[in-house]
Amino acid sequence: ETGVTQTPRHLVMGMTNKKSLKCEQHLGHNAMYWYKQSAKKPLELMFVYSLEERVENNSVPSRFSPECPNSSHLFLHLHTLQPEDSALYLCASSQDRQGAETQYFGPGTRLLVL
Amino acid sequence: GQNIDQPTEMTATEGAIVQINCTYQTSGFNGLFWYQQHAGEAPTFLSYNVLDGLEEKGRFSSFLSRSKGYSYLLLKELQMKDSASYLCAVRDGDYKLSFGAGTTVTVRA
Repeated sequence: ETGVTQTPRHLVMGMTNKKSLKCEQHLGHNAMYWYKQSAKKPLELMFVYSLEERVENNSVPSRFSPECPNSSHLFLHLHTLQPEDSALYLCASSQDRQGAETQYFGPGTRLLVL
Repeated sequence: GQNIDQPTEMTATEGAIVQINCTYQTSGFNGLFWYQQHAGEAPTFLSYNVLDGLEEKGRFSSFLSRSKGYSYLLLKELQMKDSASYLCAVRDGDYKLSFGAGTTVTVRA
């Protein structure tokens, strides 16, 4: 089983739609992350969960709503998005928040908002 | 805020060596990471430096100077499959990573 999986891989939605992105990690990690990657821009950290508790909300608009029901699953609920929200959304996980542990990334969801 | 700079693009020939520089100014420092990202794929971990000096891993090496806020990733014996984006990231606390915009390396035959 691949370490970190994300579904769907591609998503096209209108500004009035509601959709959810799903991330699942099979590595036994305790921390999970959502990042946004726009063309030619650095990865932007959106949310961090550690042991299912949200520990960071990086000034993300409320039209993005994360959910972490357990340490293996992470969701990003989307509603009334804007065209500028079109980007690659990457999920990552790490063993814990501390130490020298690297983050392992999923393949991402390519989102297009029309 | 965090400031991490790396060149936008580099081109090199198969079999050659390429050095990707990264300079950073961050509020804290708890390690520097290099990731490789092929188009349409997830970033994958390449290297981690927390102390000054050179870390070597096969064809890839990474160097860190904390006093200068500087790192480089050295790719030796370039292969076509090394064409990708290389991301420099600094951890400024216990978990938060701040990324540079990435350097796109194109390897030509």
